[in-house]
Amino acid sequence: AQKVTQAQTEISVVEKEDVTLDCVYETRDTTYYLFWYKQPPSGELVFLIRRNSFDEQNEISGRYSWNFQKSTSSFNFTITASQVVDSAVYFCALSLSNFGNEKLTFGTGTRLTIIP
Amino acid sequence: EADIYQTPRYLVIGTGKKITLECSQTMGHDKMYWYQQDPGMELHLIHYSYGVNSTEKGDLSSESTVSRIRTEHFPLTLESARPSHTSQYLCASSLGGTSGPQETQYFGPGTRLLVL
Repeated sequence: AQKVTQAQTEISVVEKEDVTLDCVYETRDTTYYLFWYKQPPSGELVFLIRRNSFDEQNEISGRYSWNFQKSTSSFNFTITASQVVDSAVYFCALSLSNFGNEKLTFGTGTRLTIIP
Repeated sequence: EADIYQTPRYLVIGTGKKITLECSQTMGHDKMYWYQQDPGMELHLIHYSYGVNSTEKGDLSSESTVSRIRTEHFPLTLESARPSHTSQYLCASSLGGTSGPQETQYFGPGTRLLVL
């Protein structure tokens, strides 16, 4: 069975600081997909990124970057120069490659608070 | 930008009442999902559907039921609400068909349910 661990329950940083959210996953499958979602106070989950297990290139999107390392089964998320609008709960998730079994397994989330 | 809608956004109701949470998407997605999110933030899949007339139970046992009579509509019903049903319910959809398990799930804004 697959598992996603987000060990950081809550993080608080001062605005403009950089912050990294950790995500460690477990699966025996060799093909899988990893996701990050953002949940602002309004409640909806906003899709941020999807990576497949064959693509270990790091990705950067504006102030967001993701570091995928299969050797350590980690898919960490870094926000550079954080802003108050980044305050939210962030979820890492995993899905397997079996067609018909695309259910997402979520981590427990990290609540990020950016202090102005 | 995902077009998936949930109503009501907030619902306070007494024990024993029958309730239906609505979820609709305008993206023509075949697959739809219901997640329950407890106060500790963890998300659990309770129902999913691969298309019209297809419904399956998720990983977390739930007393709710779902139906999928139309592609765009995936309502969730509780025949007799109890305080233990108090939670946030999130609906999601993904493309389906032959696009495979790498597709992204897009989420609605959620319904916060409080059963007194």
